[in-house]
Amino acid sequence: QLQLQESGPGLVKPSETLSLTCTVSGDSISSSSYYWGWIRQPPGRGLEWIGSIYSGGSTNHNPSLKSRVTISVDTSKNQFSLKLSSVTAADTAVYYCARPVMEWLAGGFDNWGQGTLVTVSS
Amino acid sequence: EFVLTQSPGTLSLSPGDRATLSCRASQSVPAGYLAWYHHKPGQAPRLLIYGASSRATGIPDRFSGSGSGTDFTLTISRLEPEDFAVYYCQQYGSPPYTFGQGTKLEIK
Repeated sequence: QLQLQESGPGLVKPSETLSLTCTVSGDSISSSSYYWGWIRQPPGRGLEWIGSIYSGGSTNHNPSLKSRVTISVDTSKNQFSLKLSSVTAADTAVYYCARPVMEWLAGGFDNWGQGTLVTVSS
Repeated sequence: EFVLTQSPGTLSLSPGDRATLSCRASQSVPAGYLAWYHHKPGQAPRLLIYGASSRATGIPDRFSGSGSGTDFTLTISRLEPEDFAVYYCQQYGSPPYTFGQGTKLEIK
């Protein structure tokens, strides 16, 4: 059974870099053709797609986050990661990692991590 | 960039009622790559529909999706108590893979 689990600090200071990792079990990132995604939900607001990465390393990210987003994959650990630089209070959100229902597509996420709250505060 | 507009913002209905939720895109969604999610506080979103009309695994047949181009609809034929939540649509045909702002389905 596929499981995804986010991990990382729950508190980040303004202007620093938010770093999260998603550990995948029950599927091999390297042997599948999925675009693994990051999505977030600020308090009281809707869902926002942050970006996605293919096992080969190609990525797409939301241009609203400008060049602050870096998504990477470590196939040896079966993990993919998110870094968001120069964070502000507006980056406070529950962050989810997820996998789409179909290979080769970057949406229609049917497997999600439980989500992790990241608060940006000094 | 795609903008998805969901309506209504809030829908007040009773268990057993039929619910119709709309998602309108600012431009045609390629290949009908439109998904619907059900989301409750403290839980991860749950995929209901993908490809505009395909039900995800384990989703009851009271949920159905339809539409193409710029207009999409999620219909819940008979509301159950667990259906009251926030619903989001998402297009994944062209990056950025935007979500709509959500429709809150509440108990009347």
